[in-house]
Amino acid sequence: GIQVEQSPPDLILQEGANSTLRCNFSDSVNNLQWFHQNPWGQLINLFYIPSGTKQNGRLSATTVATERYSLLYISSSQTTDSGVYFCAVGNYNQGGKLIFGQGTELSVKP
Amino acid sequence: DGGITQSPKYLFRKEGQNVTLSCEQNLNHDAMYWYRQDPGQGLRLIYYSQIVNDFQKGDIAEGYSVSREKKESFPLTVTSAQKNPTAFYLCASRETGGSGANVLTFGAGSRLTVL
Repeated sequence: GIQVEQSPPDLILQEGANSTLRCNFSDSVNNLQWFHQNPWGQLINLFYIPSGTKQNGRLSATTVATERYSLLYISSSQTTDSGVYFCAVGNYNQGGKLIFGQGTELSVKP
Repeated sequence: DGGITQSPKYLFRKEGQNVTLSCEQNLNHDAMYWYRQDPGQGLRLIYYSQIVNDFQKGDIAEGYSVSREKKESFPLTVTSAQKNPTAFYLCASRETGGSGANVLTFGAGSRLTVL
């Protein structure tokens, strides 16, 4: 099956700093999503981005499908950005299932 | 407000007992999913259903069972055959058509501890 690798596994930032999270995947996909899991366990969808670039406020994401990677950019980080960021990939013809990476745990210090 | 409701949030059970976790959605989504998360790990797919009265096994279905009798509901039973049931269980749903298709929406999760 498809393998999903995220890096770095952990990241500690000072408030206001920028960061880049990376997601590599081992096979072609037509479904890629980024999620944020807060300290209480709730997962929120950040981006649906099988290809191209999207921006939402201080967050943006880029997926280069031909090279099998995606990047999540966080600018001017805030303490509320803390949590775990997951990349998940899949293909439409497989029931919409998503395969998750191990996540990047981000801690933003005031 | 539309969303996914999982209950209970916390559940403690003795070894050997079956437990059922509830998942209800009012988003009118066709597809529903159950994932398991262990500490410090990503999510792994247990079962999924794309339509009422039909469901498929995910990557770690052994020791679990599901039913999909109504579009809104997708309960998960953790049976005594599941060797390591202590985990965080997340239910999700997905619209299968329209502008929101393919985006996965999650419930708040159920944390099961087997004593």
